[in-house]
Order: sequence, then C-alpha cells, then structure tokens
Amino acid sequence: AQSVAQPEDQVNVAEGNPLTVKCTYSVSGNPYLFWYVQYPNRGLQFLLKYITGDNLVKGSYGFEAEFNKSQTSFHLKKPSALVSDSALYFCAVRDGNNFNKFYFGSGTKLNVKP
Amino acid sequence: ETGVTQSPTHLIKTRGQQVTLRCSSQSGHNTVSWYQQALGQGPQFIFQYYREEENGRGNFPPRFSGLQFPNYSSELNVNALELDDSALYLCASSQFSGQGANQPQHFGDGTRLSIL
Repeated sequence: AQSVAQPEDQVNVAEGNPLTVKCTYSVSGNPYLFWYVQYPNRGLQFLLKYITGDNLVKGSYGFEAEFNKSQTSFHLKKPSALVSDSALYFCAVRDGNNFNKFYFGSGTKLNVKP
Repeated sequence: ETGVTQSPTHLIKTRGQQVTLRCSSQSGHNTVSWYQQALGQGPQFIFQYYREEENGRGNFPPRFSGLQFPNYSSELNVNALELDDSALYLCASSQFSGQGANQPQHFGDGTRLSIL
C-alpha cells in the first residue's frame, strides 16, 4: 500500500536556524515525491518535487529536500528559517500503480520564533 | 495566468441534504482532482477527472460523484450528507503531458463544508 508518514506534528525552530521537516514514504514502483505548504484558510502551494536525478532537490522560497532511497525518506530542509515560513507542511507521494492518485501525509506544523 | 478558483468558500448543510461544489481549473490545465481535508489531517484523495472522465478514485463511497466539463471546470457532488462529511474540500488542477502524473498540482483555496 502507498503511504506517507510525517512523524512530527510540530517542529519549533528559532529564526535564522536551519530547519528540517521529516517525511518517510512507502510506494511501489519509482517514487514521485512532493512537498506542499498550506497557510491558514488557504489551499496548498507547491514547493518542490523529486522525480529522478539528483537526490538534493531545490524548490521555492529557499527550501530543498533530500531524497534517500535506502531510508525511504524525503526530508524538507532550509538552511536559515524565517518567521514567515511558519505554516503547515505536507509531504505527498504519487501512487506507483495508479499514476492519477496522490497520497498526503498528515502534515507538520512549523513554528519559527523570532 | 488564472489560478484555481473554487465556489462557494463556505457552505452549511444539514444531514441528508445534497451539495454541489464547483472548481475552475488553472488555465492550460486539463486534469482536475478533488480532495477532502478534515480538520487537523492531510488531504484525502477523492477522485480525478481527465477528458471529462473519472480516471482514478480513492476510498470514498459512490455518493461522492463528479463531473468535468469541456472547459475543464469541474463539480463535486455529495448526496445524503453525513456529519463526517464536514471538511475543507480542495480542488487541484494539473497538466497531463503524457509523462505520467509528475507535474505538480495547483490547488484552490477550498470550500469549507459544515454539516449540522
């Protein structure tokens, strides 16, 4: 079965410090992985994706993610957090058997304190 | 470029009623997906439409149905509403390019449905 796990409900980090939001996945076939961000009362905004190629993927707003096949992980990272990064972050994976289905994690709330 | 728009933004219904939610895809996109996001949870895939036909469905009962129109806009219909249907319903569009679903989805801001 396809699934995504975000083990942390909440991540707290001080502004200027590096941040990591964790994601592990289970999927048949090649994993297509995505990160989205959601601000209050808004839809999800695309940050970055991994399809193939380099394990380090760079995305919007200075975010990047590292794909690790052996650990089936796709952690979201940023070298220096901003207060405006505070939001809800979702990891998603495309179904390896049905390309038209996506599975989302339960989300991680990122709190960046001044 | 026009983004994904959904209407209405908020809706209140009672148990047993029926509801129709609407979505206009981002210009140039030919595929639309619908998701249910319960409070405090991630989006759950309901179904996807491409070329006016359903081409993928999640674990939702048949009382959840949809339509896609020639202009790629879409509707989500839910019959016999239940209390557990209270959620944010998100529409997402993307462009199917023959390379599989590796294109990111663009989401609307959702319709908040409350069932009393």
